Formats: sequence, C-alpha cells, structure tokens
Amino acid sequence: EVQLVESGGGLVQPGRSLKLSCAASGFTFSNYYMAWVRQAPKKGLEWVATISTSGSRTYYPDSVKGRFTISRDNAKSSLYLQMNSLKSEDTATYYCASGGGFDYWGQGVMVTVSS
Amino acid sequence: DVVLTQTPSTLSATIGQSVSISCRSSQSLLDSAGNTYLYWYLQRPGQSPQLLIYLVSNLGSGVPNRFSGSGSGTDFTLKISGVEAEDLGVYYCMQATHAPYTFGAGTKLELK
Repeated sequence: EVQLVESGGGLVQPGRSLKLSCAASGFTFSNYYMAWVRQAPKKGLEWVATISTSGSRTYYPDSVKGRFTISRDNAKSSLYLQMNSLKSEDTATYYCASGGGFDYWGQGVMVTVSS
Repeated sequence: DVVLTQTPSTLSATIGQSVSISCRSSQSLLDSAGNTYLYWYLQRPGQSPQLLIYLVSNLGSGVPNRFSGSGSGTDFTLKISGVEAEDLGVYYCMQATHAPYTFGAGTKLELK
C-alpha cells in the first residue's frame, strides 16, 4: 500500500523559514517523480514544485521560485520542501504527491504564516 | 499560464443520475510528442485529493468504471455514469502539458 506522510508544518512568522518532509513507503520511491501541491484554506489546488527521479531536475511556478527548494533522499525514501522568506499567502495545507500525474497524495500538513 | 475553466461550479445530482463536468483549456494541451497531460481528481470532504483519470481517459488505480474521461485539444469532459453517495465532493481537472502545471477551480458535486 502506497503511503505518503508529511510532517514539519506549523505556525511561522512572515519572512522566516520552514522545512517540510514527506516519508514514502509502499512503492519504489527512486523510480518516481515527486511533487508538492498546496491548498489555501477554502481554496483550490496549486502546484508548488516537482523533482525528477534523481533529483537533478526541479520545477517551480513563479509564485515560489527562488524561495522554495524541493529535494529528495532516495536512500531514505523521503521528499523535502525548504520554504524560505515565507509570506502570508503561503498559508495552506501542503500535500506530497507521487508521480508526474500525482497518482497518490499524502494527508497533508498545515503551514500558517502569521505574526 | 494555462487557464482551465470548469463548468458547472456546482452540480446537484440524485443517486443513480449520470452527470458530466467540463474542463476547457485556454491553450491546446496536446504536446509535440502527441501526448495530452490532462488529469481529473476528486477531493472528498475532509480528505486529500485522489487521482481519478490520467492522460484524458485512463482510469486511475482502483477507480470504479462509472467514471470516464474524454476530450482532446482544449475541451475535456469527466462523466459519472450513475452517481453514488461516495462520489460527493469537489472535482478538479489539471494540466501538466505546459509549465506551470495548473488546476481548474473545481466543481462541487452535491446531493439534490
């Protein structure tokens, strides 16, 4: 059974940093692109970042480019999202998702950016 | 960025009724290799999204065959042939042909 378990969320002040983690199991992690998708409260879905199988290629929308960094550790079957210079508009539930088509999703982790 | 317009925004249905959701793209989603990266997801209340359809018309793992996807170019449709209570929630289309990947605003399916 595929499992994706996010952690690391919480309340953070604007301008500060936070790092999210996603522990994967039930599939060969190193064979799949991975991604982060977020959902602001009561809003729709927004793609945040994607990383290739080896980690050599990463992709971001302009809204987070230069502030967020996606990375992975295939030996640990883990995905990460380093979020710097956080803004109030980054407040959302962050989901880890597997595969280029977001085949499986984690339960999500809440990030609140507020002073 | 590619804009995906979903209609209707809200859909009321009775159990057993067949319904369709439209997803219209501001650009063609056919890439130079002949692939169309259009997906459909369902987010049930209080849950994470789940994949229903990938590459326009392929059923995701474990997804009941009452769900079907169709379309090409800029116009796509998700059909549910016989709504069941577990189908209630918000449906999203997403495109991954053009960066950045974008989602439609969602269609809420509720019971009439």
